[in-house]
Amino acid sequence: AQKVTQAQTEISVVEKEDVTLDCVYETRDTTYYLFWYKQPPSGELVFLIRRNSFDEQNEISGRYSWNFQKSTSSFNFTITASQVVDSAVYFCALTAVPDTGRRALTFGSGTRLQVQP
Amino acid sequence: GAVVSQHPSRVICKSGTSVKIECRSLDFQATTMFWYRQFPKQSLMLMATSNEGSKATYEQGVEKDKFLINHASLTLSTLTVTSAHPEDSSFYICSARGRAASYEQYFGPGTRLTVT
Repeated sequence: AQKVTQAQTEISVVEKEDVTLDCVYETRDTTYYLFWYKQPPSGELVFLIRRNSFDEQNEISGRYSWNFQKSTSSFNFTITASQVVDSAVYFCALTAVPDTGRRALTFGSGTRLQVQP
Repeated sequence: GAVVSQHPSRVICKSGTSVKIECRSLDFQATTMFWYRQFPKQSLMLMATSNEGSKATYEQGVEKDKFLINHASLTLSTLTVTSAHPEDSSFYICSARGRAASYEQYFGPGTRLTVT
């Protein structure tokens, strides 16, 4: 069984603050992929990143950075100098390889980020 | 990136009627499509997985006679909510996976269903 936990239900910050969204996962599979998605009020999921279980290098993309630590089964997401446009619900997700061949994503419960001007 | 469309984007129907939602992969062949449901302020929950040309696999607790899924071609899957009730009101999102993509899934924009 797979599980993704996003303990932070809602976070509110003021513009230009840094914010870290936590994600902890559980899986018995040794090979898996982790994802982060952004869901703005429109509802459409926006893909942010995919990381496979063999690549523990941290990644930075503009104001976004991700910290993958296998030892603690965590895949945290940091937004530097947050902006109002970052306000959205962020989902962490996991898919294992193989997983009976279906390869659906298991989503965390999401973290609602509100960035105040 | 690959594009997945959903139609309609919003639909309001009366209780007891059926509603069909289409999910299309526009620029790639989707061997597998997934249907998720998202209730307000909740996460996405997988409803079913459909592989082209075969019967869908439903998750536990999802009524297959109520949520009919058809994946008749490599670019189209449909979800029909039969005899809809207000508790079926939700945001339905499909995703598609192609042959070549390594575990990449492309999500549609979602369909908001309201049953009155």
